[in-house]
Amino acid sequence: GQNIDQPTEMTATEGAIVQINCTYQTSGFNGLFWYQQHAGEAPTFLSYNVLDGLEEKGRFSSFLSRSKGYSYLLLKELQMKDSASYLCAVKNFNKFYFGSGTKLNVKP
Amino acid sequence: GAGVSQSPSNKVTEKGKDVELRCDPISGHTALYWYRQSLGQGLEFLIYFQGNSAPDKSGLPSDRFSAERTGGSVSTLTIQRTQQEDSAVYLCASSTSGGALETQYFGPGTRLLVL
Repeated sequence: GQNIDQPTEMTATEGAIVQINCTYQTSGFNGLFWYQQHAGEAPTFLSYNVLDGLEEKGRFSSFLSRSKGYSYLLLKELQMKDSASYLCAVKNFNKFYFGSGTKLNVKP
Repeated sequence: GAGVSQSPSNKVTEKGKDVELRCDPISGHTALYWYRQSLGQGLEFLIYFQGNSAPDKSGLPSDRFSAERTGGSVSTLTIQRTQQEDSAVYLCASSTSGGALETQYFGPGTRLLVL
């Protein structure tokens, strides 16, 4: 089967840095994707990694280690609007397998 | 341009009734996905369409669930004899061709409540 694990919930302070981890065990791998989902809204794409290493996109960075089945999403200079759920997804051929999401609470 | 659209946005039905959920993908996108998201949970894959190929139905939870995609564009997800456990948000997503490095774009979802 496919197994994607993320922490259920995290809290961080405005202006700080937070790291959301994701570990996976899947039968195949074509990339790891991160999505942001505000309450009551559809997920929106943030970033993806195919090769090992760090991908940076403004305040957001994502890291991948395929040998360890591990990824993290790093959010810098947190803003209140970053309060949302963050979904980790592994693409295996034509399917996406999602974790349950990490709810991030940003407090003033 | 227009994104993925879904209708209805909300649906309340009685247990045992059939429901149809509609998805309009982004124009030109040949890959279309349906997911189910129960409260506080991640997305559960239901079905995948790619062009004129046979759909991947491996995620459909029971034979009460079926989906069609007409003309390679609009898709309809049908749930027959609905049960209370079918209550969830049903999300549709599309991508250009479903290729390995492509991401998908989600619609706003249909919130289904079975009483």
